Amino acid sequence: GQQLNQSPQSMFIQEGEDVSMNCTSSSIFNTWLWYKQDPGEGPVLLIALYKAGELTSNGRLTAQFGITRKDSFLNISASIPSDVGIYFCAGQPPGSNYQLIWGAGTKLIIKP
Amino acid sequence: DTAVSQTPKYLVTQMGNDKSIKCEQNLGHDTMYWYKQDSKKFLKIMFSYNNKELIINETVPNRFSPKSPDKAHLNLHINSLELGDSAVYFCASSHPVSGGRLAKNIQYFGAGTRLSVL
Repeated sequence: GQQLNQSPQSMFIQEGEDVSMNCTSSSIFNTWLWYKQDPGEGPVLLIALYKAGELTSNGRLTAQFGITRKDSFLNISASIPSDVGIYFCAGQPPGSNYQLIWGAGTKLIIKP
Repeated sequence: DTAVSQTPKYLVTQMGNDKSIKCEQNLGHDTMYWYKQDSKKFLKIMFSYNNKELIINETVPNRFSPKSPDKAHLNLHINSLELGDSAVYFCASSHPVSGGRLAKNIQYFGAGTRLSVL
């Protein structure tokens, strides 16, 4: 099925560093969502974006809905150990109330 | 007070067996989903029910059969389990807002069921 292009696939960072990841698509979306999955748990919603150009923050996390509606990025500032996990983007296509298209995930690992 | 709960959390079984995974949500949502997450962590939609009616049915072997007795429950029954069925299965629910507004399909996930087929 359709999949978003999410990059990078994984990141090794030092505690305190800023992190940036993004998702792109060849199709437009009405909604962009960012989720985080901790080991042994299900994905949890971090940020939801509903409008092209929208920039939304949740604590140290900031996400933007691209102006073309075909991309989104997520930034994490001053990373801490509990930020480790897998981050997923998901997009809601126009005309679909129930479908989400998912990225393959970005695995965040903090170097000791 | 778990919003989306799945049982069991772990399931280890032999090839050829039949097993079921149960899911319940107390969020009052109309729509529920089953996802499969493979070893590469990709989330693949399997099924979705809205008010007990099947609305998404991706290319899944017919050994997998979802059942929704009411809108708060969506169970997954798997017949004749195969090695390739080993994965984590996630249940999710949502309440897309519509009626003149852009529907916002925020999905809430359970903690997953780790299925190992030996």
